[in-house]
Formats: sequence, C-alpha cells, structure tokens
Amino acid sequence: EPEVTQTPSHQVTQMGQEVILRCVPISNHLYFYWYRQILGQKVEFLVSFYNNEISEKSEIFDDQFSVERPDGSNFTLKIRSTKLEDSAMYFCASRPGHNQETQYFGPGTRLLVL
Amino acid sequence: AQTVTQSQPEMSVQEAETVTLSCTYDTSESDYYLFWYKQPPSRQMILVIRQEAYKQQNATENRFSVNFQKAAKSFSLKISDSQLGDAAMYFCAYLDGGSQGNLIFGKGTKLSVKP
Repeated sequence: EPEVTQTPSHQVTQMGQEVILRCVPISNHLYFYWYRQILGQKVEFLVSFYNNEISEKSEIFDDQFSVERPDGSNFTLKIRSTKLEDSAMYFCASRPGHNQETQYFGPGTRLLVL
Repeated sequence: AQTVTQSQPEMSVQEAETVTLSCTYDTSESDYYLFWYKQPPSRQMILVIRQEAYKQQNATENRFSVNFQKAAKSFSLKISDSQLGDAAMYFCAYLDGGSQGNLIFGKGTKLSVKP
C-alpha cells in the first residue's frame, strides 16, 4: 500500500540554523500539508499546498517558514532560522483530491533545536 | 472558529473489553467530516475511522465504530474486543467541508490496555 514518507526521522540543530524537512507524498495525491506537534500537545496545522502554491496557512506559519515542491515527488518544509520553540514533531500529509477528504500522514520528523 | 474537545486525557481498558472515547466539536457548518486518528508510541498518525456529516449511518471499521450524534455535536469512538496493540493516543479531528483541508485536532486521549 502506498504511503507518505518523511526524511530525516530525527534532526538535531542549533538555534539560528536552517533546516529542511522532506516529504514524499503518495504519488497520485494533489493536496499536501504540514502539521506540527509540540511534545505533549495537540497536532496543529501549519500549511496546505495545492497546484504549486500555498492554499491556506496558519498563524504559526510565519516568514521563517516556507514550503516548496521542487520536483514531481518531494514536498519540503524549510525553517529559515530555527528557534527553541520550533522543537516538535513535524508531520507531512497528503490527500488524493476533490471529494476525497481523508489525509494520510507520514511517520513524522522529530526536530530538536538546541 | 471550529473547536474539538476530548474531555478524557486518559482511559484504561481491560484486554478483550470495550471502551468508548468521547469527542465533541463546535461548528456552524453543515458540511464537514470527522476522523479518529491513532498515534502509537512510534508517533505516526494512523487513520482509524472517518465519518461524513451528511451520513446518518454510523461508520464502522472492524472492531472500531463511532456514535455520531450530529445535533449534539458528539462523535465518540467505541473499540470492541480491545487488544494490547490498541494502546495509543487517540485524536479526534474535524475537517470543514469547504476548506482546503485544515484538520482541527482535539488534545487526545491516551488509552492503556491492561492484559
């Protein structure tokens, strides 16, 4: 069964450094998402992406964040200058398209900012 | 704004018994979807079951079923014949039918299964 994959599974970085989290959505899916989950808290929406542009973003998704689909398969989340509070689990998700509402999540990337 | 509330931070069930996890939500929309996701210790989010608001029939998926009460805005998950592998965090999530897919999650319920 096809699934969403994410790399790396874990990343440790120094405050102020840039990180890029990578996701490969399910191949025929059209909508892509990033969520984050700070330890012990609920999952929060960051951004949705469709047709090569951001379709919706939350207040969390400020100028330090960006997303890109550089080729036909990868979907990346960049954090330009990491802060301690960016430490979290980051989940990528995708869904097939219109009238197919279920989102399928990747295994997550655990980011630790020191 | 839509909200999702899970009032049970933790629940416990004996193996082979049945447990019900509660979820309520608040929305003014009539077209929406509801989901239960399971998050085991590996922290991957796994879809358990989904419900379309326009469907009156409660969704079922093997040992998992929901009690969807649209008027009461309640969406509980029943797990029958609980197994050790069911131990996980369970998140209730709401999706506005008109949105691009911004899932709104509850805070989760940690389910323990006792052998």
